[in-house]
Amino acid sequence: GQQLNQSPQSMFIQEGEDVSMNCTSSSIFNTWLWYKQEPGEGPVLLIALYKAGELTSNGRLTAQFGITRKDSFLNISASIPSDVGIYFCAGSNYKLTFGKGTLLTVNP
Amino acid sequence: GAVVSQHPSRVICKSGTSVKIECRSLDFQATTMFWYRQFPKQSLMLMATSNEGSKATYEQGVEKDKFLINHASLTLSTLTVTSAHPEDSSFYICSANNRRQEYSYNEQFFGPGTRLTVL
Repeated sequence: GQQLNQSPQSMFIQEGEDVSMNCTSSSIFNTWLWYKQEPGEGPVLLIALYKAGELTSNGRLTAQFGITRKDSFLNISASIPSDVGIYFCAGSNYKLTFGKGTLLTVNP
Repeated sequence: GAVVSQHPSRVICKSGTSVKIECRSLDFQATTMFWYRQFPKQSLMLMATSNEGSKATYEQGVEKDKFLINHASLTLSTLTVTSAHPEDSSFYICSANNRRQEYSYNEQFFGPGTRLTVL
């Protein structure tokens, strides 16, 4: 099935640094979502975006819905060790299409 | 709110046996549930969409006779892997729509997953 282009594939950063990851698609989506998955668990919804151009924050997380409806980015500010995990973007027109994920490692 | 549970969390079975996985929405009614499969170090791939009271819709390449889905109530969907083989070993995750809130139509909330190992 279709997958979104998510980058980077992995990031290894120091605690306190900011992180940015993004997703692009050849298709338009009505909703963009960002999830975090930890080993052996299901994905947890972080942020949902509903309108083109929308910028939404959830604590240290900020995400934007691209104006073309074909892309989105997620920023994490002042990273902490518990931010470690795999971050997935997902586009939705009812069914979800996932990116391949960004593995984030935070060095204390 | 929007809590989804799965049972069992882990299952090990012999080749040729059938395994049933339950997915429950605990604090909301889910008219639609989705079943995904995730192989190690890969993303989630949608297997099927399960609508309460009707037949599931399967994605291309997913065998409906092998992966039986039943969505008998607004809070429960089951996935049965029939005649399981080692290549069916994977992490199976369900999700559900929570339609209580406006604009939540496209949000999906995921269960904790079920690790299936077929020997």
